[in-house]
Amino acid sequence: DAGVTQSPTHLIKTRGQQVTLRCSPKSGHDTVSWYQQALGQGPQFIFQYYEEEERQRGNFPDRFSGHQFPNYSSELNVNALLLGDSALYLCASSGTDLMRSGNTIYFGEGSWLTVV
Amino acid sequence: DAKTTQPPSMDCAEGRAANLPCNHSTISGNEYVYWYRQIHSQGPQYIIHGLKNNETNEMASLIITEDRKSSTLILPHATLRDTAVYYCIVKSNFGNEKLTFGTGTRLTIIP
Repeated sequence: DAGVTQSPTHLIKTRGQQVTLRCSPKSGHDTVSWYQQALGQGPQFIFQYYEEEERQRGNFPDRFSGHQFPNYSSELNVNALLLGDSALYLCASSGTDLMRSGNTIYFGEGSWLTVV
Repeated sequence: DAKTTQPPSMDCAEGRAANLPCNHSTISGNEYVYWYRQIHSQGPQYIIHGLKNNETNEMASLIITEDRKSSTLILPHATLRDTAVYYCIVKSNFGNEKLTFGTGTRLTIIP
């Protein structure tokens, strides 16, 4: 049973560019959330997707957008990259079927983004 | 989400039990206590969660006080690989609430 998988693991982008990060949730999970973790800080919630729609959003600008596909996988897009966007981006998945998968949230290993 | 308070850092000798405290005095009746840890440069790892009864799994034990205002995560025989930042989080199990991370406790296992 594969856990949460993310790609790429590391990438370097230039200011002003756009980036797309990808996530496949744990088997049986239908809800995907994205978190940003700057160096030395705890993860901060960006947004959550369920049934292909954004359901919750944290305090992040519109430059951060996402998408969820029918197979529950998800993408995080960041436009007009700033130096301050350099961080570890974490994908987390959970299930709404409490009988089958409970409600515990599981994380992937993250994608390290460096903006230069 | 209710806030939690954890000591910023702790040391524990290898092979001894590591006891990590957490205060959550404003926890609501439907909120669970979750523990995650994050080893350097990796994603947070789920450890254990509980509502009001003590819980144990292959990784750790969770002791929740009767008034639910505090809890303790116990790693029974700490190893060097347990060195990590440990986060205590309270969250409802209804719907899909986000996790709100605090600053956590940096646990260092001493050889």
